[in-house]
Amino acid sequence: GIQVEQSPPDLILQEGANSTLRCNFSDSVNNLQWFHQNPWGQLINLFYIPSGTKQNGRLSATTVATERYSLLYISSSQTTDSGVYFCAVVSGSNYKLTFGKGTLLTVNP
Amino acid sequence: DTEVTQTPKHLVMGMTNKKSLKCEQHMGHRAMYWYKQKAKKPPELMFVYSYEKLSINESVPSRFSPECPNSSLLNLHLHALQPEDSALYLCASSQGETANTEAFFGQGTRLTVV
Repeated sequence: GIQVEQSPPDLILQEGANSTLRCNFSDSVNNLQWFHQNPWGQLINLFYIPSGTKQNGRLSATTVATERYSLLYISSSQTTDSGVYFCAVVSGSNYKLTFGKGTLLTVNP
Repeated sequence: DTEVTQTPKHLVMGMTNKKSLKCEQHMGHRAMYWYKQKAKKPPELMFVYSYEKLSINESVPSRFSPECPNSSLLNLHLHALQPEDSALYLCASSQGETANTEAFFGQGTRLTVV
């Protein structure tokens, strides 16, 4: 099956700093999503981005499908940005969303 | 509305109990999913229902029994679970006509087996 690798595994920032999270995948994808999992376990949709670039406030994402990677940018980070960020992909015609291991982000005040 | 609702939020059950987890969505989605997430791990797929038919079973033990009574509801029946089955159980849904659609997750049921 498809392999999804996220980096870095852990990231500690001071409030106000910017960061870039990376997701590499081993095969072509039909679907790529970025999620933020809050401390209560809720997976919050950030971006649905199988290709191209999108922005939503302080967050933006870029997927370069031909080179099999996606980037999530967080600018002017806030303590509420803390949590685990997951990249998840679908490859082929099945509905299986395969997750990377996540990046644990800690934003300190 | 992009809401997937799961009940209960927390569940403690003994190894001889029978319980059910419920999931509901009113977005008209035709694909629904159960995922299991252990602490500090990513979610792992258990089952996929597409148009109310089971389309993927990721070799899940028979003590977990899914059911899709209609296009808005998904249940997971639990029987004779083991302590290692304690985890966060997440339900998701997507539009379902193709695999190229966005999935939305519920807030999860945190299950503890004692």
